[in-house]
Amino acid sequence: AQSVTQLDSQVPVFEEAPVELRCNYSSSVSVYLFWYVQYPNQGLQLLLKYLSGSTLVKGINGFEAEFNKSQTSFHLRKPSVHISDTAEYFCAVSKASGTYKYIFGTGTRLKVLA
Amino acid sequence: DSGVTQTPKHLITATGQRVTLRCSPRSGDLSVYWYQQSLDQGLQFLIQYYNGEERAKGNILERFSAQQFPDLHSELNLSSLELGDSALYFCASSAAGTGPNTEAFFGQGTRLTVV
Repeated sequence: AQSVTQLDSQVPVFEEAPVELRCNYSSSVSVYLFWYVQYPNQGLQLLLKYLSGSTLVKGINGFEAEFNKSQTSFHLRKPSVHISDTAEYFCAVSKASGTYKYIFGTGTRLKVLA
Repeated sequence: DSGVTQTPKHLITATGQRVTLRCSPRSGDLSVYWYQQSLDQGLQFLIQYYNGEERAKGNILERFSAQQFPDLHSELNLSSLELGDSALYFCASSAAGTGPNTEAFFGQGTRLTVV
């Protein structure tokens, strides 16, 4: 079975500072990896995904993530955050074959401070 | 706008009652997924349908059931409601069903409050 661990439940950061949101996964089979963002009172929106190929994935709103197979990690980064990045961020995995539901982490609440 | 429509947006009901949540997937998507988001449990996968057939089951209670209709819309039925069922219920859709899920699109959710 797959599992996802988001190590930080909350991350406060000042505006224009860099941020890293951590995600580790566990799986005995190949997986696809995703980051979703949920703004207040909104649904989930895909930020980026890793399916195969280059381990550095760029997404929307200036976010990027790096897939590290040896460390089973998929950390999300942004070099300079804005107030508007305040939201909850979810890491998710999906098996690359078989049944295809997403397994989500518990989420990291990013709070950008002025 | 993800293209996934969920109705109603908010629902308040009493314990013991039954409700139906509706989801219209993106045009062309054959798979529908239901998730429950609560403060203590996070985002939990409930069930997946693909082209009218149940494809995967997660942590779905026996009091809950779902179906996907020929026009591909889906309904999640919650019965004998308890206070603990209060949560945000999300529907997602994707083109995947028999192949890898490379992207799912989420609706804005239905917030259920059981009083």
